[in-house]
Amino acid sequence: EAQVTQNPRYLITVTGKKLTVTCSQNMNHEYMSWYRQDPGLGLRQIYYSMNVEVTDKGDVPEGYKVSRKEKRNFPLILESPSPNQTSLYFCASYPISPPTYEQYFGPGTRLTVT
Amino acid sequence: GENVEQHPSTLSVQEGDSAVIKCTYSDSASNYFPWYKQELGKGPQLIIDIRSNVGEKKDQRIAVTLNKTAKHFSLHITETQPEDSAVYFCAASRTYSGAGSYQLTFGKGTKLSVIP
Repeated sequence: EAQVTQNPRYLITVTGKKLTVTCSQNMNHEYMSWYRQDPGLGLRQIYYSMNVEVTDKGDVPEGYKVSRKEKRNFPLILESPSPNQTSLYFCASYPISPPTYEQYFGPGTRLTVT
Repeated sequence: GENVEQHPSTLSVQEGDSAVIKCTYSDSASNYFPWYKQELGKGPQLIIDIRSNVGEKKDQRIAVTLNKTAKHFSLHITETQPEDSAVYFCAASRTYSGAGSYQLTFGKGTKLSVIP
């Protein structure tokens, strides 16, 4: 089954404690992306990657890091989480070529930073 | 950069009625306009999209219309059913011929409730 998986699904942590949210896709997509979803703000892109070892900032990259060492994985790293990073996070993947531009989203990770 | 405005933020309709959600965009170079549906506890899922060379597209009970001159596009759902209840997001992007990255800018979402 084609899918994007994220782990963990729920995470409660304290300010300053480093954490990693994993993302993996099994569709051999070149592009992967991280979004955060906040009430009243919709989906905002954090980082994206066009292929292995190629990453770039989205609209809200401050406080986040990413890496793309393998095509299927795109972890999101919060080295020193703060309460304003409490949010619902989605990973997405999509193919390099038309005809489809569909982005496939994971199930989400709800992060609470106290 | 692109800015996408979406209205209304909440919408309640009786089962069987139609629902319309409207979006406007700012970048005249945007040429791809998808709509995503997010059910409770799940990630968004593409339900329909339209390219700028097309004015309307239908898929069963859902349709999207695009007015490039006015820079707005709309989602129409006819004969609504309770399972249509969800949050709907519009988005806009430039895309490029052949291989190339594209970045979606999303609207803030519309929570649709279909009342049985």
